[in-house]
Amino acid sequence: QSVLTQPPSASGTPGQSVTISCSGSSSNIGSNTVHWYQQLPGTAPKLLIDSNNRRPSGVPDRFSGSKSGISASLAISGLQSEDESDYYCAAWDDSLNAYVFGTGTKVTVL
Amino acid sequence: EVQLVQSGAEVKKPGESLKISCQGSGYSLPSYWIGWVRQMPGKGLEWMGTIYPGDSDTRYSPSFQGQVTISVDESFSTAFLQWRSLKASDTAMYYCAGTRAGEVLPFDIWGQGTMVTVSS
Repeated sequence: QSVLTQPPSASGTPGQSVTISCSGSSSNIGSNTVHWYQQLPGTAPKLLIDSNNRRPSGVPDRFSGSKSGISASLAISGLQSEDESDYYCAAWDDSLNAYVFGTGTKVTVL
Repeated sequence: EVQLVQSGAEVKKPGESLKISCQGSGYSLPSYWIGWVRQMPGKGLEWMGTIYPGDSDTRYSPSFQGQVTISVDESFSTAFLQWRSLKASDTAMYYCAGTRAGEVLPFDIWGQGTMVTVSS
């Protein structure tokens, strides 16, 4: 089982904001950068947030990341129907010597 | 367009061997770290391991060490994920993913995935 814990689901109506949490420990989030991936239904994952809060080119500024201590968050503002997807946090874990993904959060746009 | 292109879906029997591939298109593999990620049906993402094609430096997840082999070909243009003896529990989608130049993580570019089905 994953060492990064996310809520299994989150939802909102179009235009609302949604925040997804990612809880880890001192050996992963506490000491390394956090990445976020978006996986649209039936497709490969896509890098959404790099280095805790940096958006790769092409990622809308509606997506933002933050990190504090051993937790991180992904915020989606101005929710759109195309944001309906699975979202995963990830970080390197110094104790496990492994890149660990979160449990994943399914975002539904109501 | 820069992309990673993976080999097609496979259907195998338990005990059989398998090698799936990941080739760069407009993406020079020797310059980037290439990782493999498993996604079992209806489940989350799991990092299996990563290789630097330039010198074949390979790092495995403890969960997959000894279970699979990650390699590259002699021209460093194709990365592989290999099993010696498949199990039904290996049924999953497998993604290769690449990083930006000079970085080990994160995975900036992803292949389309290879579905592996192991069933008697």
